[in-house]
Amino acid sequence: EAQVTQNPRYLITVTGKKLTVTCSQNMNHEYMSWYRQDPGLGLRQIYYSMNVEVTDKGDVPEGYKVSRKEKRNFPLILESPSPNQTSLYFCASSFAGALNTEAFFGQGTRLTVV
Amino acid sequence: LAKTTQPISMDSYEGQEVNITCSHNNIATNDYITWYQQFPSQGPRFIIQGYKTKVTNEVASLFIPADRKSSTLSLPRVSLSDTAVYYCLAYFNNDMRFGAGTRLTVKP
Repeated sequence: EAQVTQNPRYLITVTGKKLTVTCSQNMNHEYMSWYRQDPGLGLRQIYYSMNVEVTDKGDVPEGYKVSRKEKRNFPLILESPSPNQTSLYFCASSFAGALNTEAFFGQGTRLTVV
Repeated sequence: LAKTTQPISMDSYEGQEVNITCSHNNIATNDYITWYQQFPSQGPRFIIQGYKTKVTNEVASLFIPADRKSSTLSLPRVSLSDTAVYYCLAYFNNDMRFGAGTRLTVKP
């Protein structure tokens, strides 16, 4: 089954404690991205990756890091989480360079930073 | 990047046809119009995509006039399970930007 898998689904952590949210896709997609969703602000892109070892900032990259060492994985790293990073996070993937770029989203990770 | 404008919310009743219109006045030549559906606490799900005229699939139709400055998502005979937020995007390749979307509430 084609899918994007995020882990964990729920996470409560404390300020400053490094964490990683994993994202994996099984569709051989080149393009992967991370979004955060906050009430009243919609979905905002954090980082994206066009292919292995190619990443770039989205609209709200501050406080986040990503890596793309393998095509299927695109982890989101919070080196020193802060309460303003409490949010619902989504990973997405799609083919790059195609006209019909349907994106597939993960189930989301609800992060609370206290 | 094309900015889209759509109604914040809409109400409907089961069995009715729902049309959600989106305006994208500054759409670029290469942009495709794409609609996504999102249920609470779930990731958005692709519904339909088109470039011009009409596109139909098993769940919806998309109408795009010749000037492409607007588009209409049509959901036939909605049910309670169609209650969700619907996003209209106009983009090329993977450059997706989500707005606030339209919150559709289907009532019995």
